[in-house]
Amino acid sequence: ILNVEQSPQSLHVQEGDSTNFTCSFPSSNFYALHWYRWETAKSPEALFVMTLNGDEKKKGRISATLNTKEGYSYLYIKGSQPEDSATYLCAFNYGGSQGNLIFGKGTKLSVKP
Amino acid sequence: DSGVTQTPKHLITATGQRVTLRCSPRSGDLSVYWYQQSLDQGLQFLIQYYNGEERAKGNILERFSAQQFPDLHSELNLSSLELGDSALYFCASSVEAGVETQYFGPGTRLLVL
Repeated sequence: ILNVEQSPQSLHVQEGDSTNFTCSFPSSNFYALHWYRWETAKSPEALFVMTLNGDEKKKGRISATLNTKEGYSYLYIKGSQPEDSATYLCAFNYGGSQGNLIFGKGTKLSVKP
Repeated sequence: DSGVTQTPKHLITATGQRVTLRCSPRSGDLSVYWYQQSLDQGLQFLIQYYNGEERAKGNILERFSAQQFPDLHSELNLSSLELGDSALYFCASSVEAGVETQYFGPGTRLLVL
């Protein structure tokens, strides 16, 4: 059974703190790793799609790294702001051309002003 | 706004009933995915269609079925509903069917009483 694990489950930080979360996935049959940001009462919003070992992606204060050989990805948020409060989901694509994703349960980030 | 639309937004029905959820993908996207988010569960992949054809199947119950029409909109049919089918159902779309970003709609919240 393919499983995607995210840690921690939740995180509370102060405004201005930098933080990071982990996504662990199977290292075999890897096609892509997706990160999504999911705010309450909204739909998941795509952040990054990463396909190559050693990939690093950046979007503003948010960045991600990928290690496909050991099966993990890190998401970093620099200088957290209250508007960063959301659940961050990672999803593993093992189906290649099929595109279907296995999602982790997410890391819920709360940023206090 | 991702460009993916879903109707209805909320649906309340009784056990044993049948409902249809509708999804319109982003303009130009050929692939549609259906996901289910139940309480305490991560997003679970149900089924994928690409340009009108079923491409991949996840843990979709036999009571559930889907189709994608020539205009590329998709419908998810849920029949003989049970209390445990209460969940948030998301549709996502992507340009092709591979490792691309999937754009999520706002979801349909189904409550079975």
